[in-house]
Amino acid sequence: EVQLVESGGGLVQPGGSLRLSCAVSGFTFSSYWMHWVRQAPGKGLVWVSRINSDGSSTIYADSVKGRFTISRDNAKNTLYLQMNSLRAEDTAVYYCARDRSISWPGMDVWGQGTTVTVSS
Amino acid sequence: EIVLTQSPGTLSLSPGERATLSCRASQSVSSSYLAWYQQKPGQAPRLLIYGAYRRATDIPDRFSGSGSGTDFTLTISRLEPEDFAVYYCQQYGSSPHTFGQGTKLEI
Repeated sequence: EVQLVESGGGLVQPGGSLRLSCAVSGFTFSSYWMHWVRQAPGKGLVWVSRINSDGSSTIYADSVKGRFTISRDNAKNTLYLQMNSLRAEDTAVYYCARDRSISWPGMDVWGQGTTVTVSS
Repeated sequence: EIVLTQSPGTLSLSPGERATLSCRASQSVSSSYLAWYQQKPGQAPRLLIYGAYRRATDIPDRFSGSGSGTDFTLTISRLEPEDFAVYYCQQYGSSPHTFGQGTKLEI
């Protein structure tokens, strides 16, 4: 079964750090580009970051650039999101998602999400 | 940054009716790089359409996508009770890979 399982969310004070993980199973992780997407309470989806299959190329939303770092360990079948200098507006459910194809992209497999709350 | 504007914000229809959802881009988007998602409360999004008109795996054929350039449409031909949800478009043509703000389809 194809599965993505996020972990690492929690309550953190403004200015703090968290590292999210996304454990992958059921497919060849090293063949796929991966994304992080977030959703603030009661709000819409916001794309956060993308990494290519070997980790050599990354892109970010302007709102997180310089604060968040996406990475992957293909040997451990795990995707990461290191989040530093967290702000209240980073409070959201964070989803990891697989990109189905470089040529015809679309996030076809999603995790269940992990909740990050930034508050003092 | 490409801004995607979805309309209407809320669409009220009944089962059996046809739904037409719009996604307008602030700049031209290659059809290869436009996707649609469905999200129900408390659930992760689900990919419906990629490449503007290609149905994802296991998506019923009552869902169809069309459009090009700056105007894209998601059509649900005959609404089923399980189709009432929020729908998002997303572009991959340029970074950041922005989503629209969503259309809520309600009974």
